[in-house]
Amino acid sequence: AQSVTQPDIHITVSEGASLELRCNYSYGATPYLFWYVQSPGQGLQLLLKYFSGDTLVQGIKGFEAEFKRSQSSFNLRKPSVHWSDAAEYFCAVGVGNTPLVFGKGTRLSVIA
Amino acid sequence: SQTIHQWPATLVQPVGSPLSLECTVEGTSNPNLYWYRQAAGRGLQLLFYSVGIGQISSEVPQNLSASRPQDRQFILSSKKLLLSDSGFYLCAWSVEGRYGYTFGSGTRLTVV
Repeated sequence: AQSVTQPDIHITVSEGASLELRCNYSYGATPYLFWYVQSPGQGLQLLLKYFSGDTLVQGIKGFEAEFKRSQSSFNLRKPSVHWSDAAEYFCAVGVGNTPLVFGKGTRLSVIA
Repeated sequence: SQTIHQWPATLVQPVGSPLSLECTVEGTSNPNLYWYRQAAGRGLQLLFYSVGIGQISSEVPQNLSASRPQDRQFILSSKKLLLSDSGFYLCAWSVEGRYGYTFGSGTRLTVV
């Protein structure tokens, strides 16, 4: 069965520190891959997406993600975290026009 | 530009009462439409999706139903709410899967 795993439920980082959020998937073919961010009580905003080409993808707000086929991973990174990055982050995966499957999310806390 | 509207933002309903949540999309034609429910710590659960007027696919059998009376309108309904229907409901649209979804701002439903 198709699945998406975000192993970290909650991560706390210091402001200015680097960040990496993990995402692993299990799909029969190379899927489309996405990262979304959600602030409390809000909808989800698309940070970045991958469906072909360069495996290092740049997104909004200074985020990037790298698709690693051999590891079935699509980890999200940011070199220097700002307090405003505190939110919940969701990895999502899809194939064709079938509905996206979302991970359970990683809550990011940022401390001074 | 495309926009998605979802209302109401918050709703408190007694057990056994009916429900109607509405979602409309502007600026695009024949979108794919989705209803997701989000419960704390459980990620996003796909409830229904629609690829065209009158075409509804249900992912989770329960006392909820969905309808698409017009191309850009998607309605989530229930005849009798249960306590377990409480949650954050998100509507989303897409044109092609590889471009990801655009989400509405969500409806916080509390069944009391």
